[in-house]
This record gives sequence, C-alpha cells and structure tokens, in this order.
Amino acid sequence: GAGVSQSPRYKVAKRGQDVALRCDPISGHVSLFWYQQALGQGPEFLTYFQNEAQLDKSGLPSDRFFAERPEGSVSTLKIQRTQQEDSAVYLCASSPGYNQPQHFGDGTRLSIL
Amino acid sequence: QKEVEQNSGPLSVPEGAIASLNCTYSDRGSQSFFWYRQYSGKSPELIMFIYSNGDKEDGRFTAQLNKASQYVSLLIRDSQPSDSATYLCAVKRGNNRLAFGKGNQVVVIP
Repeated sequence: GAGVSQSPRYKVAKRGQDVALRCDPISGHVSLFWYQQALGQGPEFLTYFQNEAQLDKSGLPSDRFFAERPEGSVSTLKIQRTQQEDSAVYLCASSPGYNQPQHFGDGTRLSIL
Repeated sequence: QKEVEQNSGPLSVPEGAIASLNCTYSDRGSQSFFWYRQYSGKSPELIMFIYSNGDKEDGRFTAQLNKASQYVSLLIRDSQPSDSATYLCAVKRGNNRLAFGKGNQVVVIP
C-alpha cells in the first residue's frame, strides 16, 4: 500500500486479556516507531526499530508491553494482561532511514473494559 | 519541564485570516523540528519540517525557528475551513524518536 497500515482499527478487550496490534510500514522503510496517544494529548514514544533490530524501547511503560519486527518489515505490539490505563490510540510510524521524516498510520484505538 | 510545550488553548480564526501557533522546547541541542496536522480520528500528517534558524515557507504554511530562544512557530495564511484540525509540534530527540507537544486545536470559522 501507499501508506502505513495498522490493524485492527479498533480493539475492545476485557481487563487482563492479551492484545496484539499490527503495523505494516511503507515498503522499503527501514525505521519503524510505535507511539501511544491518550485523548487530548500528543503521541508519546514507545519503541524504535531499525530493520529487525529494536534499538530503543525506553518508552515502553511496563514489561507487559512487547514489540517485535522479526523480518524487518511488519511489526507487532503486544500488550499482556491489559489494564484500563492501556486504553489509548496506538500509532505506528515509519521512515526511509535515520533522520528522515516519519509517516504515521491511522492507529489502533484500544479500549480496555 | 516538558520536552515540548504547546500551551495555547483552542484557536478560532475567521476564514482568510492568519493562524499563528507557537511551541517551545527544552533541549537546546535539538536540531530537527516538525509540524504535524491531525484531523479527529486520523493519523498525524507531516506538513512542515525545519532544521535551520529563520523562516521556511511552503504554500500557505510558514515555519519559523529561533534556536536561541528555543521556540518554533507555524503560520497558516489565508486560513480555510479545511485547516480546522489539531496541530502538533514535534522535536527530534535521541535515537530518532519524536517528542510531541499536546497539540493546539485550530477552528476556522467560515
């Protein structure tokens, strides 16, 4: 596709369930980022991949959050034992390389009941 | 102190007027600055980036950077109803991540 694709667009889960969010970056983009956006706030950085290497995971809020990009293309963000405070929009962004502008997907809106 | 501050409340401007948005950042060593536009329920869309002090113009948009004062601004000339959105200021930090402000909502009144 032409842009960053994220699925699902909406996810509702009960507290304690595990969820997996998918990001398909723009073809050929080396860098991939995950951000979390709470209502009325700007996106907050979670983690960064260059190809398949996770170079920065300093923004992950707890060890319940895990991200992978095993083949350097599609990425999955997994949240285990979800809590209500995990409710947010999760945005994925990709860029052609280091120091290039980032392009965002439409996000996954996660609601934890 | 937050890395990026956008403190203004919602901005209402008449159609055809100039909308002015401001942003300050805390790290004096920051080099790259971005403005994203975000419509409700949509992804942030890059509209401007600026790396050097001074002004950068692209169509109806002008970004202004003053590294000595640590602020970056965005001007929207001849505002249109389609410009109604939230505008996010972002600064590139270590490991290529972006630090965002909370955004400023702009409402263009026809």
